[in-house]
Amino acid sequence: DIQVTQSPSSLSASVGDRVTITCRASRDISTFLNWYQQKPGQTPKLLIYSAARLQSGVPSRFSGSGSGADFTLIISSLQPEDFATYYCQQSHFLPYTFGQGTKLEIK
Amino acid sequence: QVQVVESGGGVVQPGGSLRLSCAASGFTFSASPVHWVRQAPGRGLEWVAVISGDGLNTYFIDSVKGRFTMSRDNSNNTLLLQMTNIKIEDTAIYYCTRQRVKSGQNPFDLWGQGTMVTVSS
Repeated sequence: DIQVTQSPSSLSASVGDRVTITCRASRDISTFLNWYQQKPGQTPKLLIYSAARLQSGVPSRFSGSGSGADFTLIISSLQPEDFATYYCQQSHFLPYTFGQGTKLEIK
Repeated sequence: QVQVVESGGGVVQPGGSLRLSCAASGFTFSASPVHWVRQAPGRGLEWVAVISGDGLNTYFIDSVKGRFTMSRDNSNNTLLLQMTNIKIEDTAIYYCTRQRVKSGQNPFDLWGQGTMVTVSS
């Protein structure tokens, strides 16, 4: 199975900050990497798919990049509603594994 | 309305069985693989299983192989996750989620609200 490692596991930041979350796969997954946001008590929400494509309706301050095994999610200017847990997921090889999550908290 | 709605969760004893359902509406159900993803209390997301659009192929994580099965009824836009010999570690919210099928793109773009399975004696 492909292992997906996210870092950091938690992060404190302020409104307006630029935030970077990384995800590394244990083998080449091309661009089959997706990012999800989950707020407490809510269902996961797709943010970025195919490594860099913004899901419809998601604000443009979210962006993704990478290919192969290394990927990045950037939030260019944090807004209050962005404080949540973020997960990456590889969807190239079954089982479609998730990263362990990055909890983004208010500083 | 485009949605998937899970049901069937509850409290079950170790070794027991439970059947989860996922009802879809608003899209061409038979065109979409559907996955189950679970989340134990206070933990991250764990992919569990998938069934192909035609229902002919399934795949499970090792920890549930031989205990969970999936089936779907495309005429009624529903699918089932049959859980048997349930273990304590199966305690989680179970989400039904649709996989987008498009060249080079296969994210999970539609999620249900989840159904809670609690395994307790």
